[in-house]
Amino acid sequence: GDSVTQMEGPVTLSEEAFLTINCTYTATGYPSLFWYVQYPGEGLQLLLKATKADDKGSNKGFEATYRKETTSFHLEKGSVQVSDSAVYFCALQKANTGNQFYFGTGTSLTVIP
Amino acid sequence: EAQVTQNPRYLITVTGKKLTVTCSQNMNHEYMSWYRQDPGLGLRQIYYSMNVEVTDKGDVPEGYKVSRKEKRNFPLILESPSPNQTSLYFCASSSPGTGHYGYTFGSGTRLTVV
Repeated sequence: GDSVTQMEGPVTLSEEAFLTINCTYTATGYPSLFWYVQYPGEGLQLLLKATKADDKGSNKGFEATYRKETTSFHLEKGSVQVSDSAVYFCALQKANTGNQFYFGTGTSLTVIP
Repeated sequence: EAQVTQNPRYLITVTGKKLTVTCSQNMNHEYMSWYRQDPGLGLRQIYYSMNVEVTDKGDVPEGYKVSRKEKRNFPLILESPSPNQTSLYFCASSSPGTGHYGYTFGSGTRLTVV
């Protein structure tokens, strides 16, 4: 079945460091891909998305490119801030469905000053 | 403000005592879902609803019930809670009109069953 695998954390970086969180997926058809962010004590918020191969999603300095050839959707940011400390979830929306999502296990990021 | 509202935020209960977690959205979304979040397992879907009176099982439905009598509400019912249902629960909603159905999540309900 469809699934998402993301790198395990926790990840600790210094402010202004480069961030990569790896995400790979298994799916039939052409799923949509998402990154969600969860700040402490809050629900998940949509960070960015890509709906077809080679699309690049971007938001708040974060980017991810939908790579069908490597079935990946890695999250990157060039210079992290303390306020980026959160848990990040990669997610897949099953092709041709409105409501079937599969989430990765989440990667905790801590950015230290 | 567009939002998904869950209540309560925190709940401690005893094994076997029926409880309901409420979920309401004010965005006129057709789709609503319940997820549980557990360490190392990420989010797993419990039940979802495509519209009023249309519900279906997700990946981990055992021990849960839902209903969708109105578009805005999607309560989660635990008829006889057990300790293995101790978890963080999230309600979420979406609509075909939001472009590939990105979810809006509630703030979560942390349930402890003793």
